[in-house]
Amino acid sequence: DAGVTQSPTHLIKTRGQHVTLRCSPISGHKSVSWYQQVLGQGPQFIFQYYEKEERGRGNFPDRFSARQFPNYSSELNVNALLLGDSALYLCASSLRTGNTYGYTFGSGTRLTVV
Amino acid sequence: EDQVTQSPEALRLQEGESSSLNCSYTVSGLRGLFWYRQDPGKGPEFLFTLYSAGEEKEKERLKATLTKKESFLHITAPKPEDSATYLCAVQGTGANSKLTFGKGITLSVRP
Repeated sequence: DAGVTQSPTHLIKTRGQHVTLRCSPISGHKSVSWYQQVLGQGPQFIFQYYEKEERGRGNFPDRFSARQFPNYSSELNVNALLLGDSALYLCASSLRTGNTYGYTFGSGTRLTVV
Repeated sequence: EDQVTQSPEALRLQEGESSSLNCSYTVSGLRGLFWYRQDPGKGPEFLFTLYSAGEEKEKERLKATLTKKESFLHITAPKPEDSATYLCAVQGTGANSKLTFGKGITLSVRP
């Protein structure tokens, strides 16, 4: 039974470039959330999507955007990359929004901006 | 705004030396408090969810407890394989169901 799948696992980008990160949730899970984890810190909430609609947005600039597709997979896009965007980007899936069954996280995408 | 503070930042134990990790929180209506384990370079791995004060949950050498202001993760007779970062997060009853995490506690268990 596949868990949460994220791609790519590692990525190196130059300042000013654009990046797209991808996430496939656990089969049957309809909600996907994105978190940013800077080294030495806990994950910070970026977005939550449920049934292809945005259900929550964290305190991140408009350079960050996301979407969810009909098959419930999701993309996180970051424009005009800054050095400070270097982090582990985590995707979490859950059955639906608002539940407390627990969020299952993927292994993340390690983004390095140089 | 929901807040989570974990202490200590780092903990070094000898194998078999029991201890507790603390998570203090403020939230406007608690929907759930979560404990996760995270190994280096990996995503958080779910351990427990606690819903109300007085609740306790156990899994192998780990036991999580919850009060109205804090949660403890008790580790009994730890082994080197318990070495990891332990994250605490709260989910409030706000409009979205985001998790607010603490910075984590890095546990090292020496053989």
